Amino acid sequence: KQEVTQIPAALSVPEGENLVLNCSFTDSAIYNLQWFRQDPGKGLTSLLLIQSSQREQTSGRLNASLDKSSGRSTLYIAASQPGDSATYLCAVPDLGGGADGLTFGKGTHLIIQP
Amino acid sequence: GAVVSQHPSRVICKSGTSVKIECRSLDFQATTMFWYRQFPKKSLMLMATSNEGSKATYEQGVEKDKFLINHASLTLSTLTVTSAHPEDSSFYICSGRGNTGELFFGEGSRLTVL
Repeated sequence: KQEVTQIPAALSVPEGENLVLNCSFTDSAIYNLQWFRQDPGKGLTSLLLIQSSQREQTSGRLNASLDKSSGRSTLYIAASQPGDSATYLCAVPDLGGGADGLTFGKGTHLIIQP
Repeated sequence: GAVVSQHPSRVICKSGTSVKIECRSLDFQATTMFWYRQFPKKSLMLMATSNEGSKATYEQGVEKDKFLINHASLTLSTLTVTSAHPEDSSFYICSGRGNTGELFFGEGSRLTVL
């Protein structure tokens, strides 16, 4: 069964810093990986979707990379802002019979200090 | 991105009653929708996969008679928590898959069972 691990679990940095959030998964037979943002008590906002044939995707200050062979993905946040404070989740398709549901990591709780 | 609307966002009910949560894809058709639950400070766990016009597929450990899922159209799936108990209190989130394979999530429904 697929397992997704995110490191660090929590991160607090001053505004303006560049950040790297890490995600690893145990089964590399995935066809995509998705990064989400979750604000407290809210649903999920999709940030980036990387197909297995891609190595990275960029959206504004966000850049996500994918290395299937090593089972890793990183989310890079440039020039962090207080509004980036949220929990960031990575997810890969559920290979355990969930018919393309997602297996999520536990998330990285990010706080950007003004 | 595509929009998924979930209603109600918050519901409080007495133990033993049933609660229905609606999930609508507003600007796309979702042949498949997914229901997740999230306990405090935990990641999302897939409960079931809902396919339009057919029975839902439940994950191991999820009681299908307790969590009734109906996917009557390409834009609407409902989750009914029957005979709710306090341990069913959780954050329920639905998602629909767009035609690119990306999953779009609703805002979630906070259920509190007294």
